[in-house]
Amino acid sequence: DQQVKQNSPSLSVQEGRISILNCDYTNSMFDYFLWYKKYPAEGPTFLISISSIKDKNEDGRFTVFLNKSAKHLSLHIVPSQPGDSAVYFCAARRIQGAQKLVFGQGTRLTINP
Amino acid sequence: EAGVAQSPRYKIIEKRQSVAFWCNPISGHATLYWYQQILGQGPKLLIQFQNNGVVDDSQLPKDRFSAERLKGVDSTLKIQPAKLEDSAVYLCASSLRSGYNEQFFGPGTRLTVL
Repeated sequence: DQQVKQNSPSLSVQEGRISILNCDYTNSMFDYFLWYKKYPAEGPTFLISISSIKDKNEDGRFTVFLNKSAKHLSLHIVPSQPGDSAVYFCAARRIQGAQKLVFGQGTRLTINP
Repeated sequence: EAGVAQSPRYKIIEKRQSVAFWCNPISGHATLYWYQQILGQGPKLLIQFQNNGVVDDSQLPKDRFSAERLKGVDSTLKIQPAKLEDSAVYLCASSLRSGYNEQFFGPGTRLTVL
């Protein structure tokens, strides 16, 4: 039962262009969403999050968009830089009851010079 | 601020052997998590502690996995006996409190079961 899905295992983008990573979820009870970034041999690090009461959250080059009706969120990185090459995980949770984070499978982003 | 520490970083064992992993969370973080990340998948929560009490262990295979958090600080995760399908990266994370959204992850322990 994959409640959070990242259907693209990999994505390749040219440096300076926009990277768009997508995530879909099935559980309508999720009300908080996070993106984590992971480099090889390191643990995931928190990148950006969004509450279900918003449809957009921006932090520097990173913007997360949430479409509740479609149960879809996306992470936009612009402009993309070589240091952005990593695996990106989408995660979701229910705030009430401190429910656990549920992660997607991850998308490997490669930024080409 | 020191991050989450884990050891060992790598471990290779044969099936049916036992193995233990250690985690030291960020100082002051009350909540500690153990995740299993199988190759090509996202992290899956095995167990969550709030101080030294278990909050959620619904996905922990209790016939072979056990975990404890003594004195509400360090934690150990044990597998006994190991199976081939236990090959994965075991990640420890901590957060200020249960329900706090940002979790800080350690580097993980890569376990290979032969």
